Amino acid sequence: DTEVTQTPKHLVMGMTNKKSLKCEQHMGHRAMYWYKQKAKKPPELMFVYSYEKLSINESVPSRFSPECPNSSLLNLHLHALQPEDSALYLCASSLTGENTGELFFGEGSRLTVL
Amino acid sequence: GENVEQHPSTLSVQEGDSAVIKCTYSDSASNYFPWYKQELGKGPQLIIDIRSNVGEKKDQRIAVTLNKTAKHFSLHITETQPEDSAVYFCAASKGPWNTGFQKLVFGTGTRLLVSP
Repeated sequence: DTEVTQTPKHLVMGMTNKKSLKCEQHMGHRAMYWYKQKAKKPPELMFVYSYEKLSINESVPSRFSPECPNSSLLNLHLHALQPEDSALYLCASSLTGENTGELFFGEGSRLTVL
Repeated sequence: GENVEQHPSTLSVQEGDSAVIKCTYSDSASNYFPWYKQELGKGPQLIIDIRSNVGEKKDQRIAVTLNKTAKHFSLHITETQPEDSAVYFCAASKGPWNTGFQKLVFGTGTRLLVSP
């Protein structure tokens, strides 16, 4: 199984809503990533978890709250978002240590904030 | 920090032609250079990568070349096919990744259109 599964594929939310994006992988990867991708732009790193611990937070606003409950799951909790947060949110995973190389991306969750 | 520039932003070719996409990086400590292909509605997928101890790598119709002195690397696709149409991103990072993860810096992307 070389898949990263993201749910939901599409999400529409108001600025006062609370929602969550979910990501799951069963490749035994211990590094998991959240990226944000705006239209016609490259992915931008938001968070990295390594061995279920938050290792990187790229100065992301607190209205985005990541969580890594176990080695297979990664969540992104959303609250009080702004319309400019509308984007494709990509989850990825990779091996760690010297074997780190390929990032395996999910198909993304397309978020629209009204 | 690292900065990766990518050209061209769009590239249109006829089926069977070759396509070349070029990237330049700024941090001489970068030593890993992957290329990702992103099809419409999908996440990026690795198509080829190269490490700094190698000057060239080939996989069937795809090849990547690296010039460490000039700090640039290129993707070459031969005998292009319509299914090669996608957005291609170059990226750079530096290891060793004893932190347990890697931090990729992506180029701005190239939209490749292969016409039948």
